Amino acid sequence: AQSVTQLDSQVPVFEEAPVELRCNYSSSVSVYLFWYVQYPNQGLQLLLKYLSGSTLVKSINGFEAEFNKSQTSFHLRKPSVHISDTAEYFCAVSDQGSSASKIIFGSGTRLSIRP
Amino acid sequence: DARVTQTPRHKVTEMGQEVTMRCQPILGHNTVFWYRQTMMQGLELLAYFRNRAPLDDSGMPKDRFSAEMPDATLATLKIQPSEPRDSAVYFCASGFDVNTEAFFGQGTRLTVV
Repeated sequence: AQSVTQLDSQVPVFEEAPVELRCNYSSSVSVYLFWYVQYPNQGLQLLLKYLSGSTLVKSINGFEAEFNKSQTSFHLRKPSVHISDTAEYFCAVSDQGSSASKIIFGSGTRLSIRP
Repeated sequence: DARVTQTPRHKVTEMGQEVTMRCQPILGHNTVFWYRQTMMQGLELLAYFRNRAPLDDSGMPKDRFSAEMPDATLATLKIQPSEPRDSAVYFCASGFDVNTEAFFGQGTRLTVV
């Protein structure tokens, strides 16, 4: 069975500082990987995804994540955060080989930005 | 701008009452998910459908919860009778496949008193 671990429940950082949100998964098969963001009182929005090809994927607002198969990780990074990045971030995984395989979400990491 | 629409956005009800939450998935999507989010449990998958057929509802308390898709434009989640422990934000999401990107609605915040 697949699982996702987000090691940090909360990450406080100063504005314009770099940030890394960690995500590790376990699976016996090839996977799809996702990062979702949830702003206060809103639903989850897809931030970026890895389906195949380049292991480094990027979002339009400066986040990037790298799929590392050997370490079973998909950490999210941003070189310089902004106040508007304050949100909860969810890592998720699904089985690539089965279109009936559901998406499994991690427990979330709350990113708080200090001015 | 295609989006998943959930109604109502907020619902306060008394214990024992029936609650119905509705979801309009994005046109063309064939997969619909229902999630529940609480501070204690995080994001839980309750049930999901593909081409209107239920694929898995093992995350749902069967005695009081039911999920249906009367047609391709409407998914419903019912709780009868409701209990205070059902208080949570319920999200509907839709997608083209079960294992690829899911598009979330804004959620229904349910409070059972």
